[in-house]
Amino acid sequence: DAKTTQPTSMDCAEGRAANLPCNHSTISGNEYVYWYRQIHSQGPQYIIHGLKNNETNEMASLIITEDRKSSTLILPHATLRDTAVYYCIVRMDSSYKLIFGSGTRLLVRP
Amino acid sequence: AAGVIQSPRHLIKEKRETATLKCYPIPRHDTVYWYQQGPGQDPQFLISFYEKMQSDKGSIPDRFSAQQFSDYHSELNMSSLELGDSALYFCASSRGDPSTDTQYFGPGTRLTVL
Repeated sequence: DAKTTQPTSMDCAEGRAANLPCNHSTISGNEYVYWYRQIHSQGPQYIIHGLKNNETNEMASLIITEDRKSSTLILPHATLRDTAVYYCIVRMDSSYKLIFGSGTRLLVRP
Repeated sequence: AAGVIQSPRHLIKEKRETATLKCYPIPRHDTVYWYQQGPGQDPQFLISFYEKMQSDKGSIPDRFSAQQFSDYHSELNMSSLELGDSALYFCASSRGDPSTDTQYFGPGTRLTVL
């Protein structure tokens, strides 16, 4: 079962930052937080992951709270092509699989 | 950069037929994962292989089997197909320790069972 809670849907204006929250209150100390997105029936696309420190790459930033019970994915300048379902996944340390929850459906408005 | 290749991209079968889906991982990736995504649903893990050995198993029906070959490509064999098997099937690959390495997904195979 998914160990994360995300809003069902969000929207933001094109060009603005999109901040997608995720709660993972039962996360263990050696479990990573991964973010993927899926654009309409395409294969899930890896965005970013982290353990305890904030992370940034060319796609997004990941902010993890100090207690690690929640995180926020930030798309700094959302475009229409960022409209997708965003999945926050806690990767279990003893398992290889990714367990997808319901995700957040992000709509970027023109 | 090379990505995960899946074939075929679309497949139409009749009930009770057999289907074989193929996955070619990113070069130098040694781990392959299979996921199933039904209509309106989220991806569900089926099975994974690390260095040609089964490494994890999810809710994969007994009618399904899979293997990873010496060149690291993988095949998912599905027999006695049912209408409910209609779904997108994604393959993902990773390199190194599967418990920490990032999975990269292919474009998927859309299976339709009539």
